Amino acid sequence: EVQLVETGGGLVQPGKSLKLTCATSGFTFSNAWMHWVRQSPEKQLEWVAQIKAKSNNYATYYAESVKGRFTISRDDSKSSVYLQMNSLKEEDTAIYYCTWPSYFDYWGQGVMVTVSS
Amino acid sequence: DIQMTQSPASLSASLEEIVTITCQASQDIGNWLAWYQQKPGKSPQLLIHSATSLADGIPSRFSGSRSGTQYSLKISRLQVEDTGIYYCLQRYSNPNTFGAGTKLELK
Repeated sequence: EVQLVETGGGLVQPGKSLKLTCATSGFTFSNAWMHWVRQSPEKQLEWVAQIKAKSNNYATYYAESVKGRFTISRDDSKSSVYLQMNSLKEEDTAIYYCTWPSYFDYWGQGVMVTVSS
Repeated sequence: DIQMTQSPASLSASLEEIVTITCQASQDIGNWLAWYQQKPGKSPQLLIHSATSLADGIPSRFSGSRSGTQYSLKISRLQVEDTGIYYCLQRYSNPNTFGAGTKLELK
């Protein structure tokens, strides 16, 4: 059974950092291209970032809204993908999901990130 | 970026009624389109991929179609459990973009 479990969310002040983790099981993680997607309080879904597999040189892609502030990474030995979020803004407040594969067939339960002073 | 214009924003329909939701892509995306259903407090669930292919375990009353750059999701006989928010997604190019969502309620 495929499982994706996000952790690491919480309340953080603007300008601070937070790192999200998505632990996976039930599929061959090392071959998987992983994504982060977020959903604002207004329910709008936004694709955030993608990381490809080792065979694709771990290529990464970002939404313009997070480029230069967020970093997606992975640890194949732990079947986990991460999202390092720096210089957080109030508009980054959202539920963050990790998802896989190409049509986002599987989603985690999501983790809430609230950016507020 | 490719824009996905989804309509209507909200919809109220009766049991057994036929419901159609559409997404208009701002450029050609081929068949790189998916539809999702989201229930309150839950993660989105894949309904349709590749514009017309039913995802595993999804009832056959759901179907997807394409006409040029317009994509449609049809629910042939609305059931109580079909209420929720529906989203389209283009996977043709990065950044992948979602429609704004359609809130479907029972009349």
